[in-house]
Amino acid sequence: EPEVTQTPSHQVTQMGQEVILRCVPISNHLYFYWYRQILGQKVEFLVSFYNNEISEKSEIFDDQFSVERPDGSNFTLKIRSTKLEDSAMYFCASSYDKTLGTEAFFGQGTRLTVV
Amino acid sequence: QKEVEQDPGPLSVPEGAIVSLNCTYSNSAFQYFMWYRQYSRKGPELLMYTYSSGNKEDGRFTAQVDKSSKYISLFIRDSQPSDSATYLCAMNTNAGKSTFGDGTTLTVKP
Repeated sequence: EPEVTQTPSHQVTQMGQEVILRCVPISNHLYFYWYRQILGQKVEFLVSFYNNEISEKSEIFDDQFSVERPDGSNFTLKIRSTKLEDSAMYFCASSYDKTLGTEAFFGQGTRLTVV
Repeated sequence: QKEVEQDPGPLSVPEGAIVSLNCTYSNSAFQYFMWYRQYSRKGPELLMYTYSSGNKEDGRFTAQVDKSSKYISLFIRDSQPSDSATYLCAMNTNAGKSTFGDGTTLTVKP
């Protein structure tokens, strides 16, 4: 069964460092998303991406964040200068169709710990 | 007011019980309604989605949407210990992004 894969599963970084979280979406999917979940809190939308550009972003997705699809298969989330409050699980998701964004498949997540 | 409010847990039931999980919402633009299951430290797994008001059944799971009341429910019949997880409701406008509820943690005791 096709799945969304994320690497690494756990990343520890020092405050102020840059991190790149990687995702390989399902191969025929066209829409890509990043969500985050701070421990004990709800899953929050960060950004959606289609046709090599951002479709929508939340207020959380400020200038410290960027996304890229560098090679047609990977989808990355970069945080330029990490803060303690960036510690969370980051989930990548993909779907074939946006209007049916219901059928988004999530990866297992990357747990980011900023120390 | 939160856009999506989910009944807080935790919920603990004996095996075989019927479970009802509920969410209300305030944004009339929501058109797609989903239920995800999330095991500890894992990604959300889509269980069911619905578009219109009414019921949708899939095995032991029934999703119910009442757009007039802005209320959605997930019913689990004959609950099993393997159903123990956190259940998330989520909703979309046409924009594709999902707005999630806080989640309800369910424990089904053998």
